[in-house]
Amino acid sequence: SQQGEEDPQALSIQEGENATMNCSYKTSINNLQWYRQNSGRGLVHLILIRSNEREKHSGRLRVTLDTSKKSSSLLITASRAADTASYFCATARLNRDDKIIFGKGTRLHILP
Amino acid sequence: DAGVTQSPTHLIKTRGQQVTLRCSPISGHKSVSWYQQVLGQGPQFIFQYYEKEERGRGNFPDRFSARQFPNYSSELNVNALLLGDSALYLCASSLEVSLVSGNTIYFGEGSWLTVV
Repeated sequence: SQQGEEDPQALSIQEGENATMNCSYKTSINNLQWYRQNSGRGLVHLILIRSNEREKHSGRLRVTLDTSKKSSSLLITASRAADTASYFCATARLNRDDKIIFGKGTRLHILP
Repeated sequence: DAGVTQSPTHLIKTRGQQVTLRCSPISGHKSVSWYQQVLGQGPQFIFQYYEKEERGRGNFPDRFSARQFPNYSSELNVNALLLGDSALYLCASSLEVSLVSGNTIYFGEGSWLTVV
């Protein structure tokens, strides 16, 4: 079963604009991670945010976490063509079996 | 250093057949986990192995099995293939056993399985 749900399912923006993707989840978590997947290839870990953190930055990426709303957002600033990919959130659930659960992903397309 | 390597990259099988997928983790990583990703969906956890022992199993039928070898490489076996088994099978390795503690998990490029 899917724990996280990304929103929107698909997003197209112009190069240079900012892209925001959201993830909502259902149960309490230890941490939340964001991954990128280029078409049909492996996943690349982008950033992890723990349940006691509210915001993290990594380069052009900014992740926020609101545990009261059970939601997270991934912001990519100054988007580039190379950012075209699918983005997944993955949650590690509190006091549950030791596995992370992925959402269905947001397909991001950067228009030249 | 080499990343997580998987083989084969693509394969086509017929319904009812059996398939074996292989994975070599990053050097020094003792944890290997397997995921199934159906087109348009996120990866679904199948198994985790650590130090050659099964540490976790997802909601998959007994047709799915796996093992880990002394060199920490791993194989995923699927018997009696169904059309619905068509997917990208991803292997991931990590340094630590816990998948939820926040240690980074590194994924391979995957094996595309098509069942016809």
